[in-house]
Amino acid sequence: AQTVTQSQPEMSVQEAETVTLSCTYDTSENNYYLFWYKQPPSRQMILVIRQEAYKQQNATENRFSVNFQKAAKSFSLKISDSQLGDTAMYFCAFMKHRGGGGKLIFGQGTELSVKP
Amino acid sequence: EADIYQTPRYLVIGTGKKITLECSQTMGHDKMYWYQQDPGMELHLIHYSYGVNSTEKGDLSSESTVSRIRTEHFPLTLESARPSHTSQYLCASSGLQGGSTDTQYFGPGTRLTVL
Repeated sequence: AQTVTQSQPEMSVQEAETVTLSCTYDTSENNYYLFWYKQPPSRQMILVIRQEAYKQQNATENRFSVNFQKAAKSFSLKISDSQLGDTAMYFCAFMKHRGGGGKLIFGQGTELSVKP
Repeated sequence: EADIYQTPRYLVIGTGKKITLECSQTMGHDKMYWYQQDPGMELHLIHYSYGVNSTEKGDLSSESTVSRIRTEHFPLTLESARPSHTSQYLCASSGLQGGSTDTQYFGPGTRLTVL
C-alpha cells in the first residue's frame, strides 16, 4: 500500500522569502503521479503543481517548483517570493499511473503561514 | 479553474435525519470522488465512480451511499445522520476535458454538523 508523509505540521515564512515544504512517500510502483494541492482558509482545494514520475525534470508553475527525488521517494515544494495569499494548508498526494482507479492518497498536510 | 459545485456549503442537522449532499460538475468528467476531511486533517476517500451507474467504496469505511445516474451529478446520502458523521465532505472529478485525466479538481466542500 502507498503512504504519503508530510513531517512538518506547521511552517511560517516572511513575505517575499522562500519556503520549502517536505513530502516523502512509499510505493513499489515505478510509474505514478505526485501532486501538491493548496487549501486556503475558504476550503476550496486547488491544484498547485503536478509531477509525473517518469519525467526527470522537476515541474515548475510560476513561483512554485518541486524537487523530485525518485530514488529517495521525496517530493518537496518550494515557494519563492512568498505572498500573503499563499497562506493555506498544503497537501502532498500520490496517484498510481495504472490500476489505482485514479485515487489520490494524501499526506497529513502542512499549514503554512505567510507573515507580513 | 474547475467547474464543480457542492450544496449546501454548510449544514447543521439533528441526529436521525436523512441528508443528501449534492455535487455537480459541468466539465463532462467521467470520474467523480467523495472525500471526508476532519478539520486540519488529511482527506480520506469514501466513494468514487468511473461513470454512469458505476460506484465503488473508497478506502475509508462510510455509512453514506452514493449514486451516479447522470454524468454530471454525484450525490451522497446519509440515511440517518449521527454526531460521528460531523466532518467536511469534498467532492472531486477528473476526466479528459478541463485538464489531464489524472488530475482531480475539487468542489468547495460541505461542512456538516450533526447535533
